[in-house]
Amino acid sequence: NAGVTQTPKFRVLKTGQSMTLLCAQDMNHEYMYWYRQDPGMGLRLIHYSVGEGTTAKGEVPDGYNVSRLKKQNFLLGLESAAPSQTSVYFCASSYGQGMRLSYEQYFGPGTRLTVT
Amino acid sequence: DAKTTQPPSMDCAEGRAANLPCNHSTISGNEYVYWYRQIHSQGPQYIIHGLKNNETNEMASLIITEDRKSSTLILPHATLRDTAVYYCIVRASNYGGSQGNLIFGKGTKLSVKP
Repeated sequence: NAGVTQTPKFRVLKTGQSMTLLCAQDMNHEYMYWYRQDPGMGLRLIHYSVGEGTTAKGEVPDGYNVSRLKKQNFLLGLESAAPSQTSVYFCASSYGQGMRLSYEQYFGPGTRLTVT
Repeated sequence: DAKTTQPPSMDCAEGRAANLPCNHSTISGNEYVYWYRQIHSQGPQYIIHGLKNNETNEMASLIITEDRKSSTLILPHATLRDTAVYYCIVRASNYGGSQGNLIFGKGTKLSVKP
């Protein structure tokens, strides 16, 4: 099993450009998450999904959109990148059944995004 | 969710046991203790979790005190690859209405030395 994979691993954008980060998991997990991590700060939740076709806002959702068209994939979009979105982005997934979820989350290797 | 307190850093000799403490004196009865680690430039890695009984898996052991106000993560034979920041997180199991996100504090930076 590959676990959780993220593409791309690195990206440099100019202000105003758009891009999509892809997260894929092969563990048949219901729940998926997008976090960002900035230097000296902990992880902050951007958006999350409790199942195929559902998404919800996390702690810092502004400037991002997400989609979960397939259970194994969770996409994070930046429509108009800003320097404040320079960060390391982590995707994670976990088991969940209905509204019962697990905090045993499995993370991808991260995407390092720089916006100039 | 209960707040946790961990020492900012610890050293351990390679091959010895690493014992990482965590205080969570305000923990509630339905809150679990989770441990994660983050090796430099990698994604966080789940290690182990428990409610009140001691737990062991292939990576580590988790010892929770009887009053549940503190716990210790034990890496029985630390290697250089165990050098990482270790996070103790307390979260209640969820039955709806929660985002499910993990809240990482500053953790303990464990340095395993040859």
